[in-house]
Amino acid sequence: YVLTQPPSVSVAPGQTARITCEGSNFGIKRIHWYQQRPGQAPVMVVYADNARPSGIPERFSGSNSGSTATLTINRVEAGDEADYYCQVWDSSSDHPYAFGSGTKVTVL
Amino acid sequence: EVQLMESGGGLVQPGGSLRLSCAVSGLTFSSHWMHWVRQAPGKGLVWISRINGDGRSTSYGDSVKGRFTISRDNAKSTLFLQMDNLEPDDTALYFCTTEYLHSFYYWGQGAVVTVSS
Repeated sequence: YVLTQPPSVSVAPGQTARITCEGSNFGIKRIHWYQQRPGQAPVMVVYADNARPSGIPERFSGSNSGSTATLTINRVEAGDEADYYCQVWDSSSDHPYAFGSGTKVTVL
Repeated sequence: EVQLMESGGGLVQPGGSLRLSCAVSGLTFSSHWMHWVRQAPGKGLVWISRINGDGRSTSYGDSVKGRFTISRDNAKSTLFLQMDNLEPDDTALYFCTTEYLHSFYYWGQGAVVTVSS
């Protein structure tokens, strides 16, 4: 299962970053998002399209239009600079847990 | 506080074996499906294996099928990954992680595995 993300997104502090993830049959799948700062383990920031784990700021939100999933980061801060990965579960695949290739968010 | 702590990584020659462990605390271990995810240097995340709560059901990614074995000891809240016939392409940072609604909720800090002669 292939998930397509843009390699990079650049955003100024205080602005909004939008990271997209494209795949097939997104309307029947739930999309999850992870943040990975340099040298650190991934951290889930959104699960099941638009739910936030405990401790994740409200600035992080997700959406799923059925063909494209989007992670939105409002009021971007320097600490948001990281790699972001989308992930889905595809029950019909032999490799059911798939990650996108990742998007590097640079805060200008 | 939930904690996952990997151990057992290191340098091994091609064709060799390693066994990774992941000690879990702060949650009811036996209730959670567990996974291993790896990340090659400078590359993205790749799922490689999962095990259900009682250890009776497992699955693997194509790249490790037949060479890696996932298992768990619920009495000790520990997850394992036995890696045999290692190849240079297995060089990576290996993370253990818990599953929630088919997502990866909690992550360890990772164990480095280097396969080189």
